[in-house]
Formats: sequence, C-alpha cells, structure tokens
Amino acid sequence: NAGVTQTPKFRILKIGQSMTLQCTQDMNHNYMYWYRQDPGMGLKLIYYSVGAGITDKGEVPNGYNVSRSTTEDFPLRLELAAPSQTSVYFCASSYSDLGQPQHFGDGTRLSIL
Amino acid sequence: ILNVEQSPQSLHVQEGDSTNFTCSFPSSNFYALHWYRWETAKSPEALFVMTLNGDEKKKGRISATLNTKEGYSYLYIKGSQPEDSATYLCASPNSNSGYALNFGKGTSLLVTP
Repeated sequence: NAGVTQTPKFRILKIGQSMTLQCTQDMNHNYMYWYRQDPGMGLKLIYYSVGAGITDKGEVPNGYNVSRSTTEDFPLRLELAAPSQTSVYFCASSYSDLGQPQHFGDGTRLSIL
Repeated sequence: ILNVEQSPQSLHVQEGDSTNFTCSFPSSNFYALHWYRWETAKSPEALFVMTLNGDEKKKGRISATLNTKEGYSYLYIKGSQPEDSATYLCASPNSNSGYALNFGKGTSLLVTP
C-alpha cells in the first residue's frame, strides 16, 4: 500500500523558474492538503481540497496554484520561483472524518537559488 | 487561525528517563487534537487522534491525555529510548479550511544512551 507519494524528493530551482510538485494517494481520501515547513516554524497550510474539482487557499497561498482533477492527484504548481519559497513541502490526505489522522508523504525539499 | 502552542521547545533526556510534553489549544470550537511523531528526513507519523474530554490513549510506552475544557493535552513517554528521539507535533483541525491541521512548532526530543 503506497499511501501518499510525493515527487520529486529534492529539487533545486533558479529564481523565476516554474515547477510542479506531484502528490498522489491511493487511499480514496477526499481531503488533501499541501503544507510547507520552514525552520523554527510549524507546518503552514498552502492549499487544500475537500474533493475532486474543489480547491481553496490556506494560510500561505501566494506564489502557488493547485488543481484537483481526480480524487488521487493534487499537484502544487510554482509559477515564478522565489527564494522565499525555499522550504520542505508536505502533501497529506485524510478521510472526511475528524476522528481520522492525516497521512503524509515523505516531503519535497525545494531550494530556490 | 487556531493558536496551538507546545512546550518545551526541546528536551534532552537520558535513556530510561520518563518525560512529558504539553500542547495547549483554544478550548472553544474544539473538534479534535492530533499528535504526530516526526523523525528527521521522514514524514510525520500519526500517534493519536483525540476527540473527547478526558480521553486517554496509549501506544506502547507513549500515552496522551486530553482536557478540552481547559485546552491542553499531555504526551508522556515512559522509559525513553534513543529511538524515541524525534520531534513531536500536536495539531488541531480548523473547520474554516477543510479541517486542515493547525500545528504547534513541536517539541524536539533527544534521548541519549
């Protein structure tokens, strides 16, 4: 059982480049999330989705876009990479049930130089 | 945004010591309280999801309690082992963002032999 799979694991981008962080889950979870983790800070929510075709902004959405065309996939797009987007990005998913935990991918470590 | 606070920020104990951490959260509009264990270079792993006041949960040498009226949860580790070294995160779902988790900054535990 793969769970939540993120690719790539590591990436270095130049300022102004674009890229897509991939996230897929095989647990048929409706809810999916993108978080970023910066040193000394807690995980911050970038975007979330409560089902296919539905996405919404989280706490720190600027500079990012998402789509949710299928239940399984929730890619995160950086259009014009900036040094402030250097971070570790985690995708997570869960059932639509408050009693259930979120399942996390292994993260993507992104550096913008 | 729900403010979830954790203390201490870091902790260093000797193998065999028992230890505990604190998580505080707003007691109004409470839904659930999550605890995760996060090892460096890995994904956060769910320990407990607690929903009822007075809940006590246990997983091996790790246990947690919940007081929703006063807004705190304790995580206890009995007889700490070096493999318990990790960052322990608590988080509370935010109903305004698809129940995405508002995380504390974590307690970093180091257990030395």
